[in-house]
Amino acid sequence: QSVLTQPPSASGTPGQRVTISCSGGSSNIGSNYVHWYQQLPGKAPKLLIFRNNQRPSGLPDRFSGSKSGTAASLAISGLRSADEGDYYCVVWDDSLFGPVFGGGTKLTVL
Amino acid sequence: QVQLQESGPGLVKPSQTLSLTCTVSGDSISSDTYYWNWIRQPAGKGLEWIGRIHSSGSTNYNPSLKSRVTISGDTSKNQFSLNLRSVTAADTAVYYCARGLRLLEWDYWGQGTLVTVSS
Repeated sequence: QSVLTQPPSASGTPGQRVTISCSGGSSNIGSNYVHWYQQLPGKAPKLLIFRNNQRPSGLPDRFSGSKSGTAASLAISGLRSADEGDYYCVVWDDSLFGPVFGGGTKLTVL
Repeated sequence: QVQLQESGPGLVKPSQTLSLTCTVSGDSISSDTYYWNWIRQPAGKGLEWIGRIHSSGSTNYNPSLKSRVTISGDTSKNQFSLNLRSVTAADTAVYYCARGLRLLEWDYWGQGTLVTVSS
């Protein structure tokens, strides 16, 4: 059971906008930065969003992140088949003195 | 272009020590800008951060693994290594090395190496 809760799956059609949620508590999301990773099938994870809403250089602005209270979300607009994969949120937890990950959300482009 | 490559045995017996090395090219582990991390992923499951090392030699470990983990660096070879002691089947996973500017922000990753713990 992950400390951070993500929906196990999400889906959309090409061109649509999808959001993936990440729910936590006061000791993690409520007091620290949220980061998001994309893992395409058979590949290493890739940093998608850092510090709640920052994009690495070169990442298209189709990807965006937000945080409010003890929840965060990742939004992907203009959905493409190449976006299919797993998405993970990760946050430092002040009570556990370590990072905690969401269980991951499998994104399917229909 | 920064590249990381994991290497080490793919099979380790229970109770023994898992040892992996990450070779870095395109950057120097001596640089004080970055931390060098180990992260693992059991098959079909999520990610788990193991720990990291800085050029200063300082290390940080996941509290859940701290008693069994040692991460060290070899600046002459531009490599850093992971030792995980007293392994069990639960340690079977793909192990990744990754560069991080700040905690939990890993911008370059190795391709990963599968380590199976079995007799």
